[in-house]
Amino acid sequence: EAQVTQNPRYLITVTGKKLTVTCSQNMNHEYMSWYRQDPGLGLRQIYYSMNVEVTDKGDVPEGYKVSRKEKRNFPLILESPSPNQTSLYFCASRDPGSSAFFGQGTRLTVV
Amino acid sequence: AQSVTQPDIHITVSEGASLELRCNYSYGATPYLFWYVQSPGQGLQLLLKYFSGDTLVQGIKGFEAEFKRSQSSFNLRKPSVHWSDAAEYFCAVASGSGYALNFGKGTSLLVTP
Repeated sequence: EAQVTQNPRYLITVTGKKLTVTCSQNMNHEYMSWYRQDPGLGLRQIYYSMNVEVTDKGDVPEGYKVSRKEKRNFPLILESPSPNQTSLYFCASRDPGSSAFFGQGTRLTVV
Repeated sequence: AQSVTQPDIHITVSEGASLELRCNYSYGATPYLFWYVQSPGQGLQLLLKYFSGDTLVQGIKGFEAEFKRSQSSFNLRKPSVHWSDAAEYFCAVASGSGYALNFGKGTSLLVTP
């Protein structure tokens, strides 16, 4: 079954404690991306990757890092989380000319 | 700059009534157009997409959308809404050869008895 898997689904952490949200896809897609969703703001792209070892900033990259060492995995790293990073995060993958597949989301709370 | 506008933040309709959710885009290239739905606490599910061809596209759950190039619109419609359609709806646009998806801010649909 084609899918994008994110973990964890829910996470509560404290300010400044590094965390990683994992994302894995099984469709051999080249393109993967991270979005955050906030009320009234829709989905905003954080980072994207067009292939292994190729990453670039989206619209709201501050405070986030990503890596793409393997085609299937695209983890999102918060080196020093802050309360304004409390949000719902989605990982997605797609190829040109196709629709995007989304993970189930990770609800992050930073206290 | 590329943008996607969903003019209605909230819409309330009665169960059984018809529905139209608006989406306008500003895009230089031939766009690929999508509608996604997000039920409470869930991820995003693709309702339908338009890449080329017939400008009226059918999707899942009885939804359809019409691409109107002259109006830069891709409005989502359903003839008779069910209570289970209450959700957040997102319009998204991608360039034909590109990867990035640009999303509208979403329309929250409430269905009343």
